[in-house]
Amino acid sequence: GNSVTQMEGPVTLSEEAFLTINCTYTATGYPSLFWYVQYPGEGLQLLLKATKADDKGSNKGFEATYRKETTSFHLEKGSVQVSDSAVYFCSQFSGGYNKLIFGAGTRLAVHP
Amino acid sequence: DSGVTQTPKHLITATGQRVTLRCSPRSGDLSVYWYQQSLDQGLQFLIQYYNGEERAKGNILERFSAQQFPDLHSELNLSSLELGDSALYFCASSPGLAVQETQYFGPGTRLLVL
Repeated sequence: GNSVTQMEGPVTLSEEAFLTINCTYTATGYPSLFWYVQYPGEGLQLLLKATKADDKGSNKGFEATYRKETTSFHLEKGSVQVSDSAVYFCSQFSGGYNKLIFGAGTRLAVHP
Repeated sequence: DSGVTQTPKHLITATGQRVTLRCSPRSGDLSVYWYQQSLDQGLQFLIQYYNGEERAKGNILERFSAQQFPDLHSELNLSSLELGDSALYFCASSPGLAVQETQYFGPGTRLLVL
């Protein structure tokens, strides 16, 4: 069945460092892919999405490109801020249904 | 703010008890989804309702049930609670039934079973 695998955290970076969080997926067909973010003590927020191969989702300086050939959807940001400290979840739909499946989440801690 | 509201924000109860979690979807959304986030299982889909009818079921225990009312709000009922039911329960909504519609999540209800 469909699945999502994310790099394990925690990821600890200094402010203004470059961020990459790896995400790979297995799927039948071409599901839409998402990154959700969970700030401390809060719910899930949609960060960005891509609906087809080679699409690039972007928001708040974060980007991710839907790579069909490598079945990946890595999250990147050129210069992280302390306020980006959160848990990031990669997700996709489970084939044929509208239920989302999620990776285990990657905790990002950015220090000044 | 996603426009999805959930109440209560926190709930503390004892084993064997029953609780009800409430969700109001974004204005105009007809589909409601429930997810559970626990330390050992991660984020898991529980159940989906569309316009009052159950549409899809995931890893939802028999002790759990849900419904969606005519005004489109939804309730998740958890009964005979066990320690392992302690988790963050999210509700999400989307406009309808189109395949792969984006889902918008509420802030969650944190349940602690003692």
